[in-house]
Amino acid sequence: GQNIDQPTEMTATEGAIVQINCTYQTSGFNGLFWYQQHAGEAPTFLSYNVLDGLEEKGRFSSFLSRSKGYSYLLLKELQMKDSASYLCAVLDSNYQLIWGAGTKLIIKP
Amino acid sequence: IAGITQAPTSQILAAGRRMTLRCTQDMRHNAMYWYRQDLGLGLRLIHYSNTAGTTGKGEVPDGYSVSRANTDDFPLTLASAVPSQTSVYFCASSEEGSSYNEQFFGPGTRLTVL
Repeated sequence: GQNIDQPTEMTATEGAIVQINCTYQTSGFNGLFWYQQHAGEAPTFLSYNVLDGLEEKGRFSSFLSRSKGYSYLLLKELQMKDSASYLCAVLDSNYQLIWGAGTKLIIKP
Repeated sequence: IAGITQAPTSQILAAGRRMTLRCTQDMRHNAMYWYRQDLGLGLRLIHYSNTAGTTGKGEVPDGYSVSRANTDDFPLTLASAVPSQTSVYFCASSEEGSSYNEQFFGPGTRLTVL
């Protein structure tokens, strides 16, 4: 079966750095996405990785290791507005997105 | 304003009733999707359409049907609602299906079936 694992919840302090991990086992791999979802709102796109390595985009970076079936999202200089759920999703061999349950990130002052 | 709209925002429905959730996009995207989101579970694909006139089944299609008569609209119909269909429903679109294009999501419809 296909499986995406992420921690259910994480807590971090404003101004700090947090790393949200995602491991996956899917039938095929055509890339990995990270989305942000604030409570009661729609998911919005953060990043896409298809090659191994780190992609940096402002305060957010995303890393991929295809051989390990592993990705992480790194958030730096945390702000209160970063409190949200972060969704990991893998594009499988049929080009359908398989979604993790999401990681709820709580930022404390 | 470009984007995706969904209607209604929320709905309470008696079991056995028929219900259509509406979705419209003005980005001229070829591909559209319907997901449901339940607490503790990831988004699950119900149906998708890679282009007007074609549709496909996702992970959880039973009890749902869709149509894609034109590029902009992608309605989702529950023929006879059951309580297990209580969920938040998101419509999404992307430039192309079967690709790495990011998906853009509508604001969602919160459906309660009693």
